[in-house]
Amino acid sequence: NAGVTQTPKFQVLKTGQSMTLQCAQDMNHNSMYWYRQDPGMGLRLIYYSASEGTTDKGEVPNGYNVSRLNKREFSLRLESAAPSQTSVYFCASRHGQGARGDTQYFGPGTRLTVL
Amino acid sequence: AQTVTQSQPEMSVQEAETVTLSCTYDTSENNYYLFWYKQPPSRQMILVIRQEAYKQQNATENRFSVNFQKAAKSFSLKISDSQLGDTAMYFCAFMKHGIIIYSSGSARQLTFGSGTQLTVLP
Repeated sequence: NAGVTQTPKFQVLKTGQSMTLQCAQDMNHNSMYWYRQDPGMGLRLIYYSASEGTTDKGEVPNGYNVSRLNKREFSLRLESAAPSQTSVYFCASRHGQGARGDTQYFGPGTRLTVL
Repeated sequence: AQTVTQSQPEMSVQEAETVTLSCTYDTSENNYYLFWYKQPPSRQMILVIRQEAYKQQNATENRFSVNFQKAAKSFSLKISDSQLGDTAMYFCAFMKHGIIIYSSGSARQLTFGSGTQLTVLP
């Protein structure tokens, strides 16, 4: 049981390049989330997927798109990277049922630098 | 909208001593969850403890306990017998409570404070 996994761990992009961050969970969770973490700040929600087949914008969605590929996988795409998107990106998932259903579990993060 | 405030950017404590990290929040909700997450240098976000607002009893997890004061909207974390491995950034987080299990994920969005960097000194 690997929990929440993210690839890649590190990435450097040039302004204008595109890339996709991958996230997968093996806990049979229903909801998945993408957050970004900037220095001196807590995590902020970019996009989320309440259940398979649905996605919605969070607090800071501009410049990003997401795909909930299936119940396990939730990807984040940067179509045209900008230096302001330099950040650490975290994926999280939540089951939604049971005693701990509201607890979110996080992946190890992806450190992205846009030059 | 909810806000979470952690007013102590940095703290330090001697190994084996006790330390308390502060967190206050602002919400008009009556039912919600509060969490403390730990982020060590590895960057992994690790759940430390959770509290359901409707429960009056303070949550405890081994050396970690909370002082939840609902009326004051305060949620502090106490770490007893501090260990070197407790050195990390600690984030307080808030989540609304939902009635429908598969309700919109935004109702279950975590709102984070800015964090407190805790250093345990040998």
